[in-house]
Amino acid sequence: KAGVTQTPRYLIKTRGQQVTLSCSPISGHRSVSWYQQTPGQGLQFLFEYFSETQRNKGNFPGRFSGRQFSNSRSEMNVSTLELGDSALYLCASSLLDHGYTFGSGTRLTVV
Amino acid sequence: SQQGEEDPQALSIQEGENATMNCSYKTSINNLQWYRQNSGRGLVHLILIRSNEREKHSGRLRVTLDTSKKSSSLLITASRAADTASYFCATDAGGNNRLAFGKGNQVVVIP
Repeated sequence: KAGVTQTPRYLIKTRGQQVTLSCSPISGHRSVSWYQQTPGQGLQFLFEYFSETQRNKGNFPGRFSGRQFSNSRSEMNVSTLELGDSALYLCASSLLDHGYTFGSGTRLTVV
Repeated sequence: SQQGEEDPQALSIQEGENATMNCSYKTSINNLQWYRQNSGRGLVHLILIRSNEREKHSGRLRVTLDTSKKSSSLLITASRAADTASYFCATDAGGNNRLAFGKGNQVVVIP
């Protein structure tokens, strides 16, 4: 079966712009999580959605938001981009307690 | 929040040797997971060990968990060049549906 699909793979944006990243989970997985990976901070949890509801949110400013659609696909949005938002953004889907399947990520560069 | 921490940070070994890396965490957990990441790509789930398990095997991987010491180890036996990657431990405590990752171990297997 298809894995977790993230689009786009690479993105270059200018400071102050906003960006939307997309994630399609494995079919049947209703939980979708987002993580930010940077060399300095490592892997940090952004938020988790289940059945279109945000269940958990990490310690990120309100510029970071997300949503989940009825087909479990999820998007995350970052508004007013800052240089420090440059990172690899990873999406993961899961069935309960079976481990997470990650997508290949979206590499965001803010210039 | 809890955080996994791996030790050592970087490991360079010859093909065929074993590689061991450790992880410690701070609070009680339901399970601990190990992931592999190749060259900044997505994370690949390797193994999940539950808090009531002490040891688990998967192919050339052996994971141990010591909840009294709040630590885990990952052993890769008979390493191959393809095992060159970063390895992360992550904990998922209290059903919070969020993973807390350690800083990762960089493993280089020299052919």
